[in-house]
Amino acid sequence: GAGVSQSPSNKVTEKGKDVELRCDPISGHTALYWYRQSLGQGLEFLIYFQGNSAPDKSGLPSDRFSAERTGGSVSTLTIQRTQQEDSAVYLCASTLDGGTDTQYFGPGTRLTVL
Amino acid sequence: KQEVTQIPAALSVPEGENLVLNCSFTDSAIYNLQWFRQDPGKGLTSLLLIQSSQREQTSGRLNASLDKSSGRSTLYIAASQPGDSATYLCAVRGAGANNLFFGTGTRLTVIP
Repeated sequence: GAGVSQSPSNKVTEKGKDVELRCDPISGHTALYWYRQSLGQGLEFLIYFQGNSAPDKSGLPSDRFSAERTGGSVSTLTIQRTQQEDSAVYLCASTLDGGTDTQYFGPGTRLTVL
Repeated sequence: KQEVTQIPAALSVPEGENLVLNCSFTDSAIYNLQWFRQDPGKGLTSLLLIQSSQREQTSGRLNASLDKSSGRSTLYIAASQPGDSATYLCAVRGAGANNLFFGTGTRLTVIP
């Protein structure tokens, strides 16, 4: 595709519900990243996928957060039993091979937990 | 853990001025450093990527420098325009790390 796409662009949910956020990376990019941008804070790394390797989950804040990447392309970030502190913009990025390449970001999903 | 700091947090300049944004990082063992701009409600747009072996990169009116040993980078914007108004983010990829560590950004306003 022309760029990284994410859906939905906005998501409002009630505390305790589960949500799924989707990322479509640039076609041919093998590396995919999820970040979170909370109000007034910098971007925080969540998880990294590279090809068929085991993902780097070191940034996930709790076991309520999980992500998968099917077929080496589309990724889904799932947040279970959402809390108000999960409210943030969730950004996805991809790179050609996960090495020292430029990271290309999607427009983000703005999650609001009421 | 890598810490990235950007100064100033906000900057307002009249159109046409040259300006410098600063970024510092605590761990000099990095693969690369990347500058992004973020417009309100939008994702990040990559501006420049400097590999650890490089000293600077240029793109149009933008020039980014890297001094790895002192843990500093600057983004120079020449002849600023109102369309340059955005938040500028600096991010470093540490050696052995898969992800970028981001600063909190400098919010730039160019006044017509």
